[in-house]
Amino acid sequence: QVQLQESGPGLVKPSETVSLTCTVSADHDDSITNYYWSWIRQPPGRGLEWIGFVFYKGSTIYNPSLESRVTMSIDTSKSHFSLRLNSVTAADTAVYYCARGGYLDWRSPLSYWGQGILVTVSS
Amino acid sequence: EIVMTQSPATLSVSPGERATLSCRASQSISSNLAWYQQSPGQAPRLLIYGASTRAASVPARFSGGGSGTDFTLTINSLQSEDFAVYYCQQYNDWPPWTFGQGTRVEIK
Repeated sequence: QVQLQESGPGLVKPSETVSLTCTVSADHDDSITNYYWSWIRQPPGRGLEWIGFVFYKGSTIYNPSLESRVTMSIDTSKSHFSLRLNSVTAADTAVYYCARGGYLDWRSPLSYWGQGILVTVSS
Repeated sequence: EIVMTQSPATLSVSPGERATLSCRASQSISSNLAWYQQSPGQAPRLLIYGASTRAASVPARFSGGGSGTDFTLTINSLQSEDFAVYYCQQYNDWPPWTFGQGTRVEIK
């Protein structure tokens, strides 16, 4: 079984940087290694937006709409990966989800999701 | 960017009846399409991938079809727990992966 848990601040001021971490719990044979790991967000009452993914080796692909403000990283020794979004505005207020993608295959669905963390941008 | 368009926005169905949801891609995505179910206050849950393959533990009343640009999700004999929002997502082409805007299935 695979479990993902997001953590980070629930409230961030405009123009600041929000940093979120997703901790992965899995059986040894299903570890963080060899998978693609994504972040997705959902503004209140709205649909889903894919932010990007990080491969276990550290390579990343971002949504062009957010690319200038996003950085993702991964620490396989700690079984977690992270999202940094800088220069936030109220439009970045959303529930942020982490999710697992494919095994050595970027062209795969998001099979496991964390429960999500609400990040509110407000002064 | 591939645009995913779902219809209808809201579907009113009585328990026990069938619901058919549609998803259209702005260009061919082969069969690289997934469907997710999101219940209120919950994270999305993968239902269907590869356009027609049920994910683990998904009941057989859920079925997916289509390829190229037009896809459907059918839910037979709707149960109370099936009333939720459903999203399609293409993972054929990035960046970015894209989702449809969702279809809400509500109790008639």
